[in-house]
Amino acid sequence: QLVLTQSPSASASLGASVNLTCTLTSEHRTYSIAWHHQRPGKGPRHLMKIYSDGSHSKADGIPDRFSGSSSGPERYLSISSLQSEDEGDYYCQTWGTGVWVFGGGTKLTVL
Amino acid sequence: EVQLLQSGAEAKRPGAAVKISCTVSGYAFSDYYIHWVHQAPGKGLEWVGLVDPDDGETTYAEEFQHRVTITADASLYTSYLEVGSLRSEDTALYYCATGIDLFDYWGQGTLVTVSS
Repeated sequence: QLVLTQSPSASASLGASVNLTCTLTSEHRTYSIAWHHQRPGKGPRHLMKIYSDGSHSKADGIPDRFSGSSSGPERYLSISSLQSEDEGDYYCQTWGTGVWVFGGGTKLTVL
Repeated sequence: EVQLLQSGAEAKRPGAAVKISCTVSGYAFSDYYIHWVHQAPGKGLEWVGLVDPDDGETTYAEEFQHRVTITADASLYTSYLEVGSLRSEDTALYYCATGIDLFDYWGQGTLVTVSS
């Protein structure tokens, strides 16, 4: 079964860096994923796609502070120089044959 | 610029049905699937299903397949999500989304409130 696992919460100080992790089930370790950000009271916004080879492609307008990487079944979203507008929920997403799946989301708090 | 514009909020009684829309612009409608996503209050994102605007074929998530219908009207560049036999638990935001494989673009969301 295609499942994505995310930690429920993360926090870091203003101006610091944070890494968010999305873990694929081992049999799906080569799958690409997407990261989406949802600010409080807003709709999701696509940030980037991350591929199993560690490369990533960012959506238009996403600052250089955001980057992605990969290791085995884990896909990472790294955010540097944290700003208040980075707060919110971060969801990873993948897809398989006839099914699209979201992780449970990580709530990021900027202290 | 790709845009997905959804219809406005709906308030319905239990047992009723609701039909919401998603109108796209900025790309050829038939190029990508239109997906629908459900978000209950305070909860995460759940994929509902998709329509292929090219031929109208649909695929649904197992937990939604018996109560939702997704359609597309290529002449209007619009997809529709209909939810029948509404229950209070169906109170949620519904988003449409599209992209090459994963979701590159999202609609702004439509709030459906079910209350007696």
